[in-house]
Amino acid sequence: DTGVSQDPRHKITKRGQNVTFRCDPISEHNRLYWYRQTLGQGPEFLTYFQNEAQLEKSRLLSDRFSAERPKGSFSTLEIQRTEQGDSAMYLCASSLGSGTAYNEQFFGPGTRLTVL
Amino acid sequence: GDSVTQMEGPVTLSEEAFLTINCTYTATGYPSLFWYVQYPGEGLQLLLKATKADDKGSNKGFEATYRKETTSFHLEKGSVQVSDSAVYFCALDDKIIFGKGTRLHILP
Repeated sequence: DTGVSQDPRHKITKRGQNVTFRCDPISEHNRLYWYRQTLGQGPEFLTYFQNEAQLEKSRLLSDRFSAERPKGSFSTLEIQRTEQGDSAMYLCASSLGSGTAYNEQFFGPGTRLTVL
Repeated sequence: GDSVTQMEGPVTLSEEAFLTINCTYTATGYPSLFWYVQYPGEGLQLLLKATKADDKGSNKGFEATYRKETTSFHLEKGSVQVSDSAVYFCALDDKIIFGKGTRLHILP
């Protein structure tokens, strides 16, 4: 399967713990996006990378959240000192982007986080 | 700021019925518009898109026309099937702004 993959698919943690999620994009895609989706809502944009550069971060991304894409391939999203409000589905997407032109984003299956 | 409003669900229809899911948007400039679909147990998939006014996106029998004058991008299908049961999201622009989603149930 050459689609976007995310790991783990499910994560249950206690409040205050740190968690890290991984996203492997489609191999030739240079752009990678993170979104958060809560129950009954559409996904909300968190941040995106072009190659290894993090080009934009949403105001939703508090100081407890950090994302990296060190070699321009896979990305990690870390949440420190988790809170119950962080419980959500975290989605990753990738695309082959150039300039300001839109290119289709391909989504992974998501990581469902539950904070107890 | 930019936003998307789509009709609340769930929407329940019989097979072969006509479907419309309304979507309106607020944006500066000239955004691209999309419909995404999420089938049960699967990830989000792009269903169709339109990048400028009066463009019509179409795929799998679904259509939507970019109406700048009414800031709308309503999704339509002439004859739905049970396999169309899913959650549909209207969205705009590159760092995509999604609507809340409309869950569609098709009864056989």
